[in-house]
Amino acid sequence: DQQVKQNSPSLSVQEGRISILNCDYTNSMFDYFLWYKKYPAEGPTFLISISSIKDKNEDGRFTVFLNKSAKHLSLHIVPSQPGDSAVYFCAARIIQGAQKLVFGQGTRLTINP
Amino acid sequence: DTEVTQTPKHLVMGMTNKKSLKCEQHMGHRAMYWYKQKAKKPPELMFVYSYEKLSINESVPSRFSPECPNSSLLNLHLHALQPEDSALYLCASSQDFVVRGLSRDYGYTFGSGTRLTVV
Repeated sequence: DQQVKQNSPSLSVQEGRISILNCDYTNSMFDYFLWYKKYPAEGPTFLISISSIKDKNEDGRFTVFLNKSAKHLSLHIVPSQPGDSAVYFCAARIIQGAQKLVFGQGTRLTINP
Repeated sequence: DTEVTQTPKHLVMGMTNKKSLKCEQHMGHRAMYWYKQKAKKPPELMFVYSYEKLSINESVPSRFSPECPNSSLLNLHLHALQPEDSALYLCASSQDFVVRGLSRDYGYTFGSGTRLTVV
């Protein structure tokens, strides 16, 4: 049962344009959503998060939007840079005795010069 | 110090070996986690320690044995593993408290992982 889904395994964007990564979830008990960036053989690096009580959070080039009624969130990166090429994971937090993060399958973003 | 340090970075072990993975953080985080990540898959939660007590075991086989000696250290003891246990093992830490029903920002931070190969 995949509670967090990233339906696009890969995305290719031209440098300078906007990258939009999407994530859907099914569990309404998730209270916090996070985006992580991951390079091969490294641990995920935290990018940005959003509480379930908000609909937008912005940090520099990164903006996360949450549509709670649609159970959908998206990460916007603008402008996209070659260094943004990596795998991006959406994660959702739930408190079940302790806090747990549930990850989506990841989207490989490639920024083309 | 805003890092989670994992050792070793790479480990090759036979199916009859006993080995341990180590994780350390000095951010004052009171929750620590072990995740397992197979190639082209998302990280999957294995164990959660909260205030040095095991809070969550996601039905992990007993050949994986976690230990939290103190609030800064987390170990994963490995014994009689199978080749299918080969994966990247990730440690993470975070603040872990809920204040009056509202979650505070918790800085969920991952280490770089240990690449384990079971032969």
